[in-house]
Amino acid sequence: DIQMTQSPSSLSASVGDRVTITCRASQGISTYLNWYQQKPGKAPKLLIYAASILQSGVPSRFSGSGSGTDFTLTISSLQPEDFATYYCQQSYSTLWTFGQGTPVEIK
Amino acid sequence: EVQLLESGGGLVQPGGSLRLSCAASGFTFSSYAMSWVRQAPGKGLEWVSAISDGGGSTYYVDSVKGRFTISRDSFKNTLYLQMNSLRAEDTAVYYCAKDSYRAVAGGYFDLWGRGTLVTVSS
Repeated sequence: DIQMTQSPSSLSASVGDRVTITCRASQGISTYLNWYQQKPGKAPKLLIYAASILQSGVPSRFSGSGSGTDFTLTISSLQPEDFATYYCQQSYSTLWTFGQGTPVEIK
Repeated sequence: EVQLLESGGGLVQPGGSLRLSCAASGFTFSSYAMSWVRQAPGKGLEWVSAISDGGGSTYYVDSVKGRFTISRDSFKNTLYLQMNSLRAEDTAVYYCAKDSYRAVAGGYFDLWGRGTLVTVSS
């Protein structure tokens, strides 16, 4: 199975900060990498697919990059509604796997 | 309205069975692969099972192989997960998720249900 490892494991930041979360795959996955946001008690929401394509309706402060094994999710200016847990997910293999999640908390 | 609505969760004893359902509306259900994803209390997301658009291909995470069966009914626009021989570690919120593609490969989950809680305990 392809293992996905996110860093940092948690993050404290202030409104207006630039935030970067990284995701590393245990083997090359091309750009078959997706990012989701989940708020407490809610279903996950797709933010970015194919490593860098912004899902319709998602604010442009979110961006993604990377290919192969290393990927990043960047929030250019953190907003109050962005405090949540973020997950990466690979769809290269039919045995899909998620990263462990990165909670973004208020500093 | 485009939505997925899960049902069928509840409390079940270890070794018991449960069938989850996911009713789809607002899109052409038969044109997309579908998956079940679970989340144990306080834990991360775990993909559980997937089925292709026509139902001919199915996939499972190793921990549920031989115990869970995914299926779909395109006349009823409903996805199912039959769960047998349930264990305490199966306790989780189970989400159904719509894939972006027909086949189970290379896509992403662009629509999620609200989830249904399954608790396995004596």
